[in-house]
Amino acid sequence: NAGVMQNPRHLVRRRGQEARLRCSPMKGHSHVYWYRQLPEEGLKFMVYLQKENIIDESGMPKERFSAEFPKEGPSILRIQQVVRGDSAAYFCASSPSQGISGNTIYFGEGSWLTVV
Amino acid sequence: AQKVTQAQTEISVVEKEDVTLDCVYETRDTTYYLFWYKQPPSGELVFLIRRNSFDEQNEISGRYSWNFQKSTSSFNFTITASQVVDSAVYFCALSEAGETSYDKVIFGPGTSLSVIP
Repeated sequence: NAGVMQNPRHLVRRRGQEARLRCSPMKGHSHVYWYRQLPEEGLKFMVYLQKENIIDESGMPKERFSAEFPKEGPSILRIQQVVRGDSAAYFCASSPSQGISGNTIYFGEGSWLTVV
Repeated sequence: AQKVTQAQTEISVVEKEDVTLDCVYETRDTTYYLFWYKQPPSGELVFLIRRNSFDEQNEISGRYSWNFQKSTSSFNFTITASQVVDSAVYFCALSEAGETSYDKVIFGPGTSLSVIP
């Protein structure tokens, strides 16, 4: 699916544990987006990152959620002290944006988090 | 503010029928981009098409066609001679050029299409 790699595909966590979701963008892409899809709902924008910078986190819950995209390695979406309502599919996307908009963003296959 | 509406929550058709999925969008920008994505039962998101606001030509790709009408702010998607493999959730999405230099894409709620053999 256009080369965006997400892992794990499926993750089960108990309430109160931490969840870490990883995303490697397509080769040549340095812009990463995270979206969340709650059951029976559409995709909601969470955060947009460039290497070492969070550009737009307007969709991130205020607490327990954080994201990073280090200079080396994948982007990480971290959810601390997970609750049942965090159960969702988390999609990562990347684009080749270089100061312009209007690119197609390509999604990974998603990471399904289940909180028990 | 940008918004995407897909009024049809679920559609069922019999195989070989044509089906149109509606999409209505709201934006204040004069430059914007519209997308359709497909999410089959396996869960991944598959990019189908991207259209910019200056290109109102309709597009056809095999059994798929898209009708972009700026006058009604609609970007409808038609599948001709539907097949069981077309069963999926289809998302319409919008990205504004605006003042940003990145691609914040806003999705509609999706339309679940079931094609019955």
